[in-house]
Amino acid sequence: GAVVSQHPSWVICKSGTSVKIECRSLDFQATTMFWYRQFPKQSLMLMATSNEGSKATYEQGVEKDKFLINHASLTLSTLTVTSAHPEDSSFYICSASHLSPSTDTQYFGPGTRLTVL
Amino acid sequence: RKEVEQDPGPFNVPEGATVAFNCTYSNSASQSFFWYRQDCRKEPKLLMSVYSSGNEDGRFTAQLNRASQYISLLIRDSKLSDSATYLCVVNQLPGTYKYIFGTGTRLKVLA
Repeated sequence: GAVVSQHPSWVICKSGTSVKIECRSLDFQATTMFWYRQFPKQSLMLMATSNEGSKATYEQGVEKDKFLINHASLTLSTLTVTSAHPEDSSFYICSASHLSPSTDTQYFGPGTRLTVL
Repeated sequence: RKEVEQDPGPFNVPEGATVAFNCTYSNSASQSFFWYRQDCRKEPKLLMSVYSSGNEDGRFTAQLNRASQYISLLIRDSKLSDSATYLCVVNQLPGTYKYIFGTGTRLKVLA
């Protein structure tokens, strides 16, 4: 199956700092990458959809200036949480897909656990 | 009504038991359906896609009922390693590739 990596797997930072999370598709070219957030005992919530070479599409209620997404290549997307606050502490998961009319399967990265002190 | 609804469980079953989960979805236009498995503090992993004709993969059987807008997952001969949270996932909007996740159903298989 397709392999997606994320880095770092966990990070602890002080309030007000920025944190960058990388998502890479290792063995396929991902035309689309998705960023999700999961709070404890809750379901994954889509934050934004990112297509290579174009601006990300953010879901309602997600601040695009706070969660900066860059999808510079077909194998790499980054999410930067700017001026992080304790309420941003969560499990951030990316997924990647080579979408076509015949398939919309998403492959998930291992996630990044962010703790903001 | 939630877009994708699941019984959170937990379902506690003995090894070897058969267990079934249901999931309902609200948008009748939904086209793609999946079951994912998520272990504690890990990412979701695709278990199987769900097709109109139903599909089976070893001990796992998934079915789709479009008329009633639900999908099901049946696990036969449960193993301890099946203990996890099972996420129902629906792509509600054809062409948008946007997954909607259920909150998951926790399964504990007991020795």
